[in-house]
Amino acid sequence: GQQLNQSPQSMFIQEGEDVSMNCTSSSIFNTWLWYKQDPGEGPVLLIALYKAGELTSNGRLTAQFGITRKDSFLNISASIPSDVGIYFCAGQWEEGAQKLVFGQGTRLTINP
Amino acid sequence: ETGVTQSPTHLIKTRGQQVTLRCSSQSGHNTVSWYQQALGQGPQFIFQYYREEENGRGNFPPRFSGLQFPNYSSELNVNALELDDSALYLCASRLPSLGGYTFGSGTRLTVV
Repeated sequence: GQQLNQSPQSMFIQEGEDVSMNCTSSSIFNTWLWYKQDPGEGPVLLIALYKAGELTSNGRLTAQFGITRKDSFLNISASIPSDVGIYFCAGQWEEGAQKLVFGQGTRLTINP
Repeated sequence: ETGVTQSPTHLIKTRGQQVTLRCSSQSGHNTVSWYQQALGQGPQFIFQYYREEENGRGNFPPRFSGLQFPNYSSELNVNALELDDSALYLCASRLPSLGGYTFGSGTRLTVV
């Protein structure tokens, strides 16, 4: 099935460090979403982006919707142990469209 | 508490059998989607229901079918189970207005 290209696949960092991950697509999306998934749970929405160039923050998280509408990035500042998990980007072609297209995920591990 | 409840949480079936997975969404969430998440991958879109009608489908064979009910609950049915059907099955719902999908915790299906 179709997926977005998400990188890096995994990250091992020290507590307190900043984190950056990104997602690219060959297709244009009108909505970008970032989710976090903990073991045994479903994805939880972190940030939703609806306009090209949009920069949105949610606490220590910041995400941007690329100008070309083919990419997005997520930054996490001053990482803490509870940030551990798998982060997924997801694209949607238009509001109300049938499906989300997900990236392969970025697994974040934090050393205390 | 996500507001989207899935049952059962875990299930083991034999190849060739049929399975029904259930999802209960929040009141007013009249759009529900089902996703299949293989180990180490991002979720893949199966299909979506809006007001009890299927209005979008991913690359899954007809033996994957669904139902949506007026009380905001839904079902995913899979016939003639194959070993590759082993995965986490996620239900996601949303309000008609802007906003990302809310996911349930999923049903872990193992086909042996």
